[in-house]
Amino acid sequence: GDSVTQMEGPVTLSEEACLTINCTYTATGYPSLFWYVQYPGEGLQLLLKATKADDKGSNKGFEATYRKETTSFHLEKGSVQVSDSAVYFCALRSRDGGFKTIFGAGTRLFVKA
Amino acid sequence: DAGVIQSPRHEVTEMGQEVTLRCKPISGHNSLFWYRQTMMRGLELLIYFNNNVPIDDSGMPEDRFSAKMPNASFSTLKIQPSEPRDSAVYFCASSPDSTVNTEAFFGQGTRLTVV
Repeated sequence: GDSVTQMEGPVTLSEEACLTINCTYTATGYPSLFWYVQYPGEGLQLLLKATKADDKGSNKGFEATYRKETTSFHLEKGSVQVSDSAVYFCALRSRDGGFKTIFGAGTRLFVKA
Repeated sequence: DAGVIQSPRHEVTEMGQEVTLRCKPISGHNSLFWYRQTMMRGLELLIYFNNNVPIDDSGMPEDRFSAKMPNASFSTLKIQPSEPRDSAVYFCASSPDSTVNTEAFFGQGTRLTVV
């Protein structure tokens, strides 16, 4: 079945450092890929998405490119802020997977001032 | 738009008691999901409804769990009897449709503690 694997955390960075959180997926067919963010005490919210190969999703300085050849969707940001501290989830949704959204385990990011 | 509304936000109950969690999806959304989040198991999909019909309940842990969606604006997740291992944060999410391109909109969750 469909699955998502993302790097384990926690990831601790200093403010203005570069961020990469790796995500790879397994899916039959052609899934859409998503990154969600969860702040303490809140539900998940969409950060960005890409719906076909080579698409780049971007939002709030974060970017991720849908790489079908490597089945990857790595999250990147050039300069993180303290306010980016949160848990980040990679996810996919596919027709062959029954249109369910499947999430990775989440990666906790701490950004120090 | 009020977003997905879940109630209660927090629930503390004794082992063996019945627990009912409630969800109001975003108006016009026709897909609804119940997830459970724990430190050990992460985010697990419990059940998925489309147009009020349960499509996939393979994630429901056991017969103690049941979910209903009597109409497009309301869903419940019931645990009877509850056990300490059911302690978790339960999220409800809705989606505008069942295409692969649309994202899920999450409620703020219900933190359940079973003592």
